[in-house]
Amino acid sequence: DPKIIQKPKYLVAVTGSEKILICEQYLGHNAMYWYRQSAKKPLEFMFSYSYQKLMDNQTASSRFQPQSSKKNHLDLQITALKPDDSATYFCASSDDEILYFGPGTRLTVL
Amino acid sequence: AQKVTQTQTSISVMEKTTVTMDCVYETQDSSYFLFWYKQTASGEIVFLIRQDSYKKENATVGHYSLNFQKPKSSIGLIITATQIEDSAVYFCAMRENNYAQGLTFGLGTRVSVFP
Repeated sequence: DPKIIQKPKYLVAVTGSEKILICEQYLGHNAMYWYRQSAKKPLEFMFSYSYQKLMDNQTASSRFQPQSSKKNHLDLQITALKPDDSATYFCASSDDEILYFGPGTRLTVL
Repeated sequence: AQKVTQTQTSISVMEKTTVTMDCVYETQDSSYFLFWYKQTASGEIVFLIRQDSYKKENATVGHYSLNFQKPKSSIGLIITATQIEDSAVYFCAMRENNYAQGLTFGLGTRVSVFP
């Protein structure tokens, strides 16, 4: 059974719209993260949460808003989508130094 | 600020041989953590091995081992007895001694293993 679930796997959106990326982890971890992977760029850290509280935000734009409704959930809301937001978004979780990644959501903004 | 550099963009090797990948990092912290991950063709990102900066011994897990040279800020990954399924992109990453911080990743090295 998958330990970190991300929904949807693929997502196509139009410029200016809003989307929510879903992440649930069943590893019992207290810390969760969002990363973004764009073409020819390194995996980029976006947010970290611990016990449902924001710990670190490295995303300059307020259009990206994480939402944690439960301890094992960390969704990512993206508003006013732009073509540059096209990327694969990975959720991760950790209970020590090692991060475990979900399968990713590939977002394409037209 | 942290920085991780992988200069090798791609490496091709024959099956059952050894491949070595380079990684150098920059940090102001005296305590930090170093990791190697691989990303398979399906996009899955898998943790392989870690090295804590305060440990002098090189970490080894299965056919993965590290060459940690702290004075050079270098953490190389060595894969012995490579298999076709080792073909992937390998990422070096680090985190300073701050649990809230995410990992900083390098650009990755694509390894192709041929029969």
